[in-house]
Amino acid sequence: DAGVTQSPTHLIKTRGQQVTLRCSPKSGHDTVSWYQQALGQGPQFIFQYYEEEERQRGNFPDRFSGHQFPNYSSELNVNALLLGDSALYLCASSLAGGFYGYTFGSGTRLTVV
Amino acid sequence: TQLLEQSPQFLSIQEGENLTVYCNSSSVFSSLQWYRQEPGEGPVLLVTVVTGGEVKKLKRLTFQFGDARKDSSLHITAAQPGDTGLYLCAGANSGYALNFGKGTSLLVTP
Repeated sequence: DAGVTQSPTHLIKTRGQQVTLRCSPKSGHDTVSWYQQALGQGPQFIFQYYEEEERQRGNFPDRFSGHQFPNYSSELNVNALLLGDSALYLCASSLAGGFYGYTFGSGTRLTVV
Repeated sequence: TQLLEQSPQFLSIQEGENLTVYCNSSSVFSSLQWYRQEPGEGPVLLVTVVTGGEVKKLKRLTFQFGDARKDSSLHITAAQPGDTGLYLCAGANSGYALNFGKGTSLLVTP
């Protein structure tokens, strides 16, 4: 049973560019959340998607946007990249709200130069 | 904003020793989840506790949720090198976001 799949695994972008990260949830899960994890920090919640709608958003600027497709997969888009956006971006899937826990992917390491 | 404070931040012990990691907050959480994360990987769920005073055991790991649902602890008995990793606690209150602590980095040497 495949878990959460994220692509790409690593990415290097230039300041000001735009990036799209992709996530396929664990089979049977319908909810996808995105987190940003800076070096030495715990993950920070970006937003959660359910039924193709953004259900909740964390304290991130609107340069960060997302989408969920009918097959429950999701994309995270970041526009006008800043050096400070360099981080590990984690996708987590769950059934419904994730009250009992999430399954995380291995993440996409984004480096902005 | 990190609502959860974890201590200690770093822990280096020898195989066979016992240890306890703490997770504290001024906020009440409806559930608290513990994860372990290894370098280059995403966090892996260890346990979820939802009832104040609840104790859950997972082999050599014992998790406790405080009576007031504001704090939690993780105790590892007879640590092994395979226990090495970053231990993260995460609380859920209103909504769906998980609030993570900064984690406790554990190194167990043979």
